[in-house]
Amino acid sequence: NAGVTQTPKFQVLKTGQSMTLQCAQDMNHEYMSWYRQDPGMGLRLIHYSVGAGITDQGEVPNGYNVSRSTTEDFPLRLLSAAPSQTSVYFCASSYAAPGGSYEQYFGPGTRLTVT
Amino acid sequence: AQKVTQAQTEISVVEKEDVTLDCVYETRDTTYYLFWYKQPPSGELVFLIRRNSFDEQNEISGRYSWNFQKSTSSFNFTITASQVVDSAVYFCALSVSTGNQFYFGTGTSLTVIP
Repeated sequence: NAGVTQTPKFQVLKTGQSMTLQCAQDMNHEYMSWYRQDPGMGLRLIHYSVGAGITDQGEVPNGYNVSRSTTEDFPLRLLSAAPSQTSVYFCASSYAAPGGSYEQYFGPGTRLTVT
Repeated sequence: AQKVTQAQTEISVVEKEDVTLDCVYETRDTTYYLFWYKQPPSGELVFLIRRNSFDEQNEISGRYSWNFQKSTSSFNFTITASQVVDSAVYFCALSVSTGNQFYFGTGTSLTVIP
């Protein structure tokens, strides 16, 4: 199993450009999430999905769109990039483990710079 | 609302010293789960431990140990005889039974000096 994969690993955008960060998992997990990591802020949830066709907003959703057409893929779209979106983006997938907890697996991250 | 506080932003220790990373959480849920993740300089997030709210037993894994105290809403992480390879950012996280959302602390950057 490849686990959770993210592409690209690095990206530089100009303000106003749009792009899609790709995320895929091969573990048949129901749940997938996108986080951004900024210095001193920890990881903050952008959007999440509890299954194909179902998405919801997290803590910091503005400026981002998501869709979940398949169990495997959960792309994150930046509609009009802004310097404030310079960050490291992590995708995660999770499943409901026995006992009620969720085991969460993270991708390697995408480092995005918006100039 | 859920919240995780890691008050220690940066810690430096000399190799072989013991170090404790603090984590304080807030939740009104009675069923919740606590996690620690390690983020080495390479950037990936490595799962270290999960604890549920009904299990207050301390856990030891090699040089790592965790102290969970519901009375103080804390889930502290101790590294014994630290090594340079322990240098990383460590995140504490919380999830509650009503959803799969994780709430992360702001992380503690640990530097172990040889």
